[in-house]
Amino acid sequence: GIQVEQSPPDLILQEGANSTLRCNFSDSVNNLQWFHQNPWGQLINLFYIPSGTKQNGRLSATTVATERYSLLYISSSQTTDSGVYFCAVPLNTGTASKLTFGTGTRLQVTL
Amino acid sequence: DGGITQSPKYLFRKEGQNVTLSCEQNLNHDAMYWYRQDPGQGLRLIYYSQIVNDFQKGDIAEGYSVSREKKESFPLTVTSAQKNPTAFYLCASTGRTGGNYGYTFGSGTRLTVV
Repeated sequence: GIQVEQSPPDLILQEGANSTLRCNFSDSVNNLQWFHQNPWGQLINLFYIPSGTKQNGRLSATTVATERYSLLYISSSQTTDSGVYFCAVPLNTGTASKLTFGTGTRLQVTL
Repeated sequence: DGGITQSPKYLFRKEGQNVTLSCEQNLNHDAMYWYRQDPGQGLRLIYYSQIVNDFQKGDIAEGYSVSREKKESFPLTVTSAQKNPTAFYLCASTGRTGGNYGYTFGSGTRLTVV
């Protein structure tokens, strides 16, 4: 199956700093998703991004499918951005979409 | 508000016991999923279901069982055959809009073997 790798594994930032998280995947994909898991374990879908760039507030994501990577940018980080960021590659079958997750980037934003 | 409810939040199991984790959704989603998360790792798919009375094994189904008797409910049983059940379990559902499968996750159940 497809392999999904994320870097860096851990990141510590001061509030207000910017960061870039990377996701590499081993095979061509039709889509890619980014999730944020807060410190209490809740997963929230951030972006559904097969290619190109999308922006949502201070977060943006870019996927270059031909080169098999995606980037998540966090600007002007806040303590509420802390948690684990996952990218995941979907395999769609009928009404279901099975996700293969990377191992995540754990982000800690300090005051 | 629509969403997914998982219960209990914390569960302790003795060696050799079966336990059942509950997952209920009121989003009218067809597909439901169970994922397992171990410390420092990503999520791995245990089982998924596309429709009532149908379910498929994921990547790590051994030692687990599921049922889908109602569209809203997808309980997961962790059996005594699961050798290392201590983990964080997440239930999810998807609603399909065109080619976009919008994922909604529950808040998880943390299972510990004592």
